[in-house]
Amino acid sequence: GAVVSQHPSRVICKSGTSVKIECRSLDFQATTMFWYRQFPKQSLMLMATSNEGSKATYEQGVEKDKFLINHASLTLSTLTVTSAHPEDSSFYICSASEGAIGELFFGEGSRLTVL
Amino acid sequence: SQKIEQNSEALNIQEGKTATLTCNYTNYSPAYLQWYRQDPGRGPVFLLLIRENEKEKRKERLKVTFDTTLKQSLFHITASQPADSATYLCALDAGNNRKLIWGLGTSLAVNP
Repeated sequence: GAVVSQHPSRVICKSGTSVKIECRSLDFQATTMFWYRQFPKQSLMLMATSNEGSKATYEQGVEKDKFLINHASLTLSTLTVTSAHPEDSSFYICSASEGAIGELFFGEGSRLTVL
Repeated sequence: SQKIEQNSEALNIQEGKTATLTCNYTNYSPAYLQWYRQDPGRGPVFLLLIRENEKEKRKERLKVTFDTTLKQSLFHITASQPADSATYLCALDAGNNRKLIWGLGTSLAVNP
């Protein structure tokens, strides 16, 4: 199957700093990528849909100025958590799909801890 | 509102037995349903997709059924192995730009 790489896998930062997470599709082009957040023993929560060359579409309740998404190429999307606070600590996962419908290929996830 | 329910309690079975996991949904008619596996601290891995006009799908030791009347999917792992221990997630298409609605997942432990 297709490979999606996510980096960094773990990051610890101080409150008030910004953190960037990268998501790359290694062997296919992804016009759309999805960013999820997952709390322990909770379901995957879709945060936003990242569209190559255009603005991301955010889900209700997700602050677009807090979670900046950039999808500058067909193989790279980035999520920047700005002015991070302890409540932003979570597991962030990106995914992409090759076709119109079908399976999603997920990155390895990024564990963010804000002190 | 759309809702997905999976067995909330962990499932413990003996190696070699068949594991059966359930996914029920309400207030929705998905065009397809998917099953994923997630290991601790990792992203989900796709296993199987079944469309609304398909009753059953198989892949090696895995089998998925989809009953649109009962609004239920069953996921079976035959001849289970300890390596099958993981959380299994059910996801339905939201009918909108490939978005998926996710269940909470069921934790499976296969004991040697």
